[in-house]
Amino acid sequence: KQEVTQIPAALSVPEGENLVLNCSFTDSAIYNLQWFRQDPGKGLTSLLLIQSSQREQTSGRLNASLDKSSGRSTLYIAASQPGDSATYLCAAGGAADMRFGAGTRLTVKP
Amino acid sequence: DAGITQSPRHKVTETGTPVTLRCHQTENHRYMYWYRQDPGHGLRLIHYSYGVKDTDKGEVSDGYSVSRSKTEDFLLTLESATSSQTSVYFCAISESGDTEAFFGQGTRLTVV
Repeated sequence: KQEVTQIPAALSVPEGENLVLNCSFTDSAIYNLQWFRQDPGKGLTSLLLIQSSQREQTSGRLNASLDKSSGRSTLYIAASQPGDSATYLCAAGGAADMRFGAGTRLTVKP
Repeated sequence: DAGITQSPRHKVTETGTPVTLRCHQTENHRYMYWYRQDPGHGLRLIHYSYGVKDTDKGEVSDGYSVSRSKTEDFLLTLESATSSQTSVYFCAISESGDTEAFFGQGTRLTVV
């Protein structure tokens, strides 16, 4: 059974700092790895999807990497802003079955 | 935003009553999913559909049934609601089983 872990559970940083969120998974036989953002009381917003054949994806200030052999993915956020404050979730995708981590709650202080 | 509408957005129901949640999409995606999100458990897959009338169970399917009679609609039914089914329910869609997934805004269900 796929287990997904996210560390740290919570992170507080000052505005402008670069930061890294970590995601690890136990079964390397994944189809993809997807990062989401969730604001309180809201649904999930897709940020980046990395297919199993890819090593990284970039969107604006976000960069996600995938290392299947070590069972790890990282989400890099450059020049953080208060609007980045949210919970970030990673999901390891099997065939029609995504397994989610518990999330990292990020607070960016002005 | 992906065209996904969940209804109702909030519902309070009594133990033992049947409840149906609806997910409607305008993206013509083949796959549709129902997840529940609970503190301490995160998001877990209940059921998914890979086409009209084609469905399969997820990790936490006991006590739930689903139906998909049209591409755009995916219904989740709690046959006899229990307090353990109090949760936030999310619908998601994707073009295929391994492509980017998009989520609805969620339905907060309280069983009293």
